[in-house]
Amino acid sequence: GAVVSQHPSWVICKSGTSVKIECRSLDFQATTMFWYRQFPKQSLMLMATSNEGSKATYEQGVEKDKFLINHASLTLSTLTVTSAHPEDSSFYICSARDFFSSYNSPLHFGNGTRLTVT
Amino acid sequence: ELKVEQNPLFLSMQEGKNYTIYCNYSTTSDRLYWYRQDPGKSLESLFVLLSNGAVKQEGRLMASLDTKARLSTLHITAAVHDLSATYFCAVGNRDDKIIFGKGTRLHILP
Repeated sequence: GAVVSQHPSWVICKSGTSVKIECRSLDFQATTMFWYRQFPKQSLMLMATSNEGSKATYEQGVEKDKFLINHASLTLSTLTVTSAHPEDSSFYICSARDFFSSYNSPLHFGNGTRLTVT
Repeated sequence: ELKVEQNPLFLSMQEGKNYTIYCNYSTTSDRLYWYRQDPGKSLESLFVLLSNGAVKQEGRLMASLDTKARLSTLHITAAVHDLSATYFCAVGNRDDKIIFGKGTRLHILP
C-alpha cells in the first residue's frame, strides 16, 4: 500500500530555533500534500495545502512566515517551523494523495512528528 | 464553511456491546472518510464513502452514509478491547480539503 514517510518522528528544540519536518511519499507521486496540526486529545487542524512547484495555500490564521512549506518534488514536502516557541509544541502530521488515484481515494498519512519547544 | 461534528466525543462501553458513532456535516460533499488513531500514532484509513446509501463493513465496524441528511454512522458490533482508539470522520470539501471532526475516544472495557 501507499506509504508516507515523515521525519523526524520527534524533535526537541529550544525557543527561537527552527525545525524542519520532511514528508515523503515513498511509492507514489503526490502533487498535493496536506499539513495538519494536532494538540493532545484534539482533532486535526488543517494548516496548509502544499502544491508541487507552486506556493502553498495556508488556512486562515496560520502564519505563512512562521510555517514555511516547500514542495520541491512530486515526492517531498517540507514544513519548517521558524523561530519556534513553546506554543508551537504539537503533533504535526502530513498526508498525501496518490496523483494517479481517484480524487475520492483516502489520504495516506505520515506517522507524525511530535515537536517540543523548550 | 464546512463543519464536521461528531458525537459522542467520548464513549466507554463493555466488550460485547453494540454502539454507534454519529458524524454530521454542514455542507454538501461527495466524500466522507472514517479514520482510526491509536494514542501517539498517526491515522489509519478505515472507510471511504462516496454515495448516498453507501454501506461498508470491515470486521466489527460498519459505516454508512446518508448524503441527504448529511449524516454518516460508524457502528460497532460486539465490541472487543482491540477496538479501543479514537475514531475520526472527515469530509472533503469543494477545494479538495479534508476537514476532520473532533474525534470520538472509544474505550472498551474488558
